Amino acid sequence: GAVVSQHPSWVICKSGTSVKIECRSLDFQATTMFWYRQFPKQSLMLMATSNEGSKATYEQGVEKDKFLINHASLTLSTLTVTSAHPEDSSFYICSAPPGSRRAYTDTQYFGPGTRLTVL
Amino acid sequence: RKEVEQDPGPFNVPEGATVAFNCTYSNSASQSFFWYRQDCRKEPKLLMSVYSSGNEDGRFTAQLNRASQYISLLIRDSKLSDSATYLCVVTGRGGNNDMRFGAGTRLTVKP
Repeated sequence: GAVVSQHPSWVICKSGTSVKIECRSLDFQATTMFWYRQFPKQSLMLMATSNEGSKATYEQGVEKDKFLINHASLTLSTLTVTSAHPEDSSFYICSAPPGSRRAYTDTQYFGPGTRLTVL
Repeated sequence: RKEVEQDPGPFNVPEGATVAFNCTYSNSASQSFFWYRQDCRKEPKLLMSVYSSGNEDGRFTAQLNRASQYISLLIRDSKLSDSATYLCVVTGRGGNNDMRFGAGTRLTVKP
């Protein structure tokens, strides 16, 4: 079953509003979580690394004031898209390293993604 | 140059066909290599890791050539359910916490 959940799975909002996306690790602790963005027919691009108890690390070109990340606990990271515009419409995916969870693979666990449409 | 480059596709093949995907990467220091499968509007899911010795998992065979910085995926006896986008993934300096994705190659298997 899923080990990383995201909520909501799909959101439509008006331009100028803010949207919060939650990413949860379900049965393990994640001190680090990753946020990706994927535009249609393009690759996943890492936006930022979320760190529990400290500031997120943003990739070059990603506006930290627009994409607010809060790693509130060892199982929850949130991404808030502030003052969203149509060009922010994309598929946002979070992931977490397996960490303490017993795993058959040493790659990241991906959430199911959140499709954001800004009108 | 992109860090990870893949065949643009799309590949449209009949059931039972054999299809091969190629991928090249630019960072010679990369340590880990993977093929992921991504269905439309879903998260990517690990298909298989890729090792220098090559590895096989049922109908899927992956190969790695470190000297050429080249990765391949071969799918034999294609099934309709194989229709998806296949992502080539390479790790950067941060290891498995630093994954770099190719843009993906779309495969459609037709009856």
